[in-house]
Amino acid sequence: DQQVKQNSPSLSVQEGRISILNCDYTNSMFDYFLWYKKYPAEGPTFLISISSIKDKNEDGRFTVFLNKSAKHLSLHIVPSQPGDSAVYFCAALNSNYQLIWGAGTKLIIKP
Amino acid sequence: DGGITQSPKYLFRKEGQNVTLSCEQNLNHDAMYWYRQDPGQGLRLIYYSQIVNDFQKGDIAEGYSVSREKKESFPLTVTSAQKNPTAFYLCASSPRDTISYNEQFFGPGTRLTVL
Repeated sequence: DQQVKQNSPSLSVQEGRISILNCDYTNSMFDYFLWYKKYPAEGPTFLISISSIKDKNEDGRFTVFLNKSAKHLSLHIVPSQPGDSAVYFCAALNSNYQLIWGAGTKLIIKP
Repeated sequence: DGGITQSPKYLFRKEGQNVTLSCEQNLNHDAMYWYRQDPGQGLRLIYYSQIVNDFQKGDIAEGYSVSREKKESFPLTVTSAQKNPTAFYLCASSPRDTISYNEQFFGPGTRLTVL
């Protein structure tokens, strides 16, 4: 039973355009969400987070949007750069302060 | 330089052997975690520890064991009882204060291959 779903295993975007990565969750009790970025053979690194009391959080080129009624969040990267090519994981914090992870989306930025 | 160290990066073992993966952090974090990553799946929690000498099972603890004798160290033993041990193992840590506790810092990972 996957509580956090990233339905797109991969996404290809032209350099300079917007990348939109999507994440859906099933547990309405989740109230904090995080995005991590992972390069091959490395550990994930924290990118951006959002609390359920907000619907948007922005940090430079990265913006996370949260739609609580739809149980959906998305990460927007604009403009996309070659260094953004990585696997992006969505994660939700449960009531035990444990992270519940999505399967990841591989983002490929084409020159 | 503060960070989390996992060694070695690649590890090979014969089937039936126990193997211990090391994880050390000098971030003064109270909480430490072990995850397993398999292709096409999110990270799955094996064990976690919120304080020295205490640890809790995660979602897939069977076939694994841990210890937390020191704040800086959280070694994971993959036992012969683990049916499918070949995977990428990630160690993470986080502080316990309420603001940054949500963000976990990861080590570089260890790729374990059981032959």
